[in-house]
Amino acid sequence: NAGVTQTPKFQVLKTGQSMTLQCAQDMNHEYMSWYRQDPGMGLRLIHYSVGAGITDQGEVPNGYNVSRSTTEDFPLRLLSAAPSQTSVYFCASSPLPLLAGELFFGEGSRLTVL
Amino acid sequence: TQLLEQSPQFLSIQEGENLTVYCNSSSVFSSLQWYRQEPGEGPVLLVTVVTGGEVKKLKRLTFQFGDARKDSSLHITAAQPGDTGLYLCAGPGFGNEKLTFGTGTRLTIIP
Repeated sequence: NAGVTQTPKFQVLKTGQSMTLQCAQDMNHEYMSWYRQDPGMGLRLIHYSVGAGITDQGEVPNGYNVSRSTTEDFPLRLLSAAPSQTSVYFCASSPLPLLAGELFFGEGSRLTVL
Repeated sequence: TQLLEQSPQFLSIQEGENLTVYCNSSSVFSSLQWYRQEPGEGPVLLVTVVTGGEVKKLKRLTFQFGDARKDSSLHITAAQPGDTGLYLCAGPGFGNEKLTFGTGTRLTIIP
């Protein structure tokens, strides 16, 4: 059972570089989201999607782009990485309505920006 | 933005002791969820409470939703090392399309 798969698990970038964090789910969930986790700050929502072709901003969207061309995939793009984006990133999915069930999380992607 | 504050931020106790952690907000939530996260992994749902005053039990874990639906607590009886982890509460944001997480309680059970 794959569930939610994130790649890469670890990445080191230099300031100004771009990269994409990949997220794929095989549960046919309509809802997908990206969170970042920083010490003492819990999980903060970056972007989310309620279906293919639909995305919206969360609490901390600046510096990040997303797209949802298929139900399965929800990549997160960093256009010009900054040290403030050093964090652990989690992708999560859920069937809709959101609170009828649970969020299923990937194992996380640890990003360091130098 | 609806905020969820959890306390204590850190808790370290001996195996066999009881403990309670709290999740508080100034806003009313239609429901609250509790997740546990272990190192190197994503959070995993423990329980969802939806009715004010509701109490749910999961083995040695007891979850309560406040009558006014602004707070929740998690009580663990006879804590075991396997209970070690980060406990997060979460509640729905406007339109029920966003899940807001609390700051978390990092629990360590000492054998």
